[in-house]
Amino acid sequence: DTAVSQTPKYLVTQMGNDKSIKCEQNLGHDTMYWYKQDSKKFLKIMFSYNNKELIINETVPNRFSPKSPDKAHLNLHINSLELGDSAVYFCASSQTRDRGRGGQETQYFGPGTRLLVL
Amino acid sequence: GNSVTQMEGPVTLSEEAFLTINCTYTATGYPSLFWYVQYPGEGLQLLLKATKADDKGSNKGFEATYRKETTSFHLEKGSVQVSDSAVYFCALSTQAGGTSYGKLTFGQGTILTVHP
Repeated sequence: DTAVSQTPKYLVTQMGNDKSIKCEQNLGHDTMYWYKQDSKKFLKIMFSYNNKELIINETVPNRFSPKSPDKAHLNLHINSLELGDSAVYFCASSQTRDRGRGGQETQYFGPGTRLLVL
Repeated sequence: GNSVTQMEGPVTLSEEAFLTINCTYTATGYPSLFWYVQYPGEGLQLLLKATKADDKGSNKGFEATYRKETTSFHLEKGSVQVSDSAVYFCALSTQAGGTSYGKLTFGQGTILTVHP
């Protein structure tokens, strides 16, 4: 019973294509995230949603559009893929415990989606 | 802004050696501190965490103490095993600007290889 799952695990595509990555969590968490890990293993947050509402939107090209149909799902759609989009994309989730002292919650990560743009 | 700096890798050790991976941070407010581990081909798993100064996180023989005075959260293990070979990430979580929600900032990761 996977806690945070992502599909697909691997994605190989041509430049200019549009693709989506799906994420689902069965932990009952109210907050979900997308992170990008580059070829040097550096991890950076891209987006975060709480109860289907966008709360973090880092400096990411607007070709990337997250969509949260419900609390348990956060999908990432990428338009006009570029070579530099090749990376591993991780989804994560957490449960907000105390609105006054946010930042203490543990984030649980999915297995990652390895995207290669040719 | 927030930042996390880890010691440069890769780190190569023999089995049963002592491990230290240094981590220092810069943050406003009162961050929570984490160590995540990424085994080859897998996602990140929480290894341990500490939410306030002087707290010690521990798991699977690994330990780290939240030192506010030195802004550090160094990871240690007394005797490493081959199965500990992985990438280790130090991270901090603070409230994302203007919200009460957590935002993780990661260090660059340290690759650990343990030989038999």
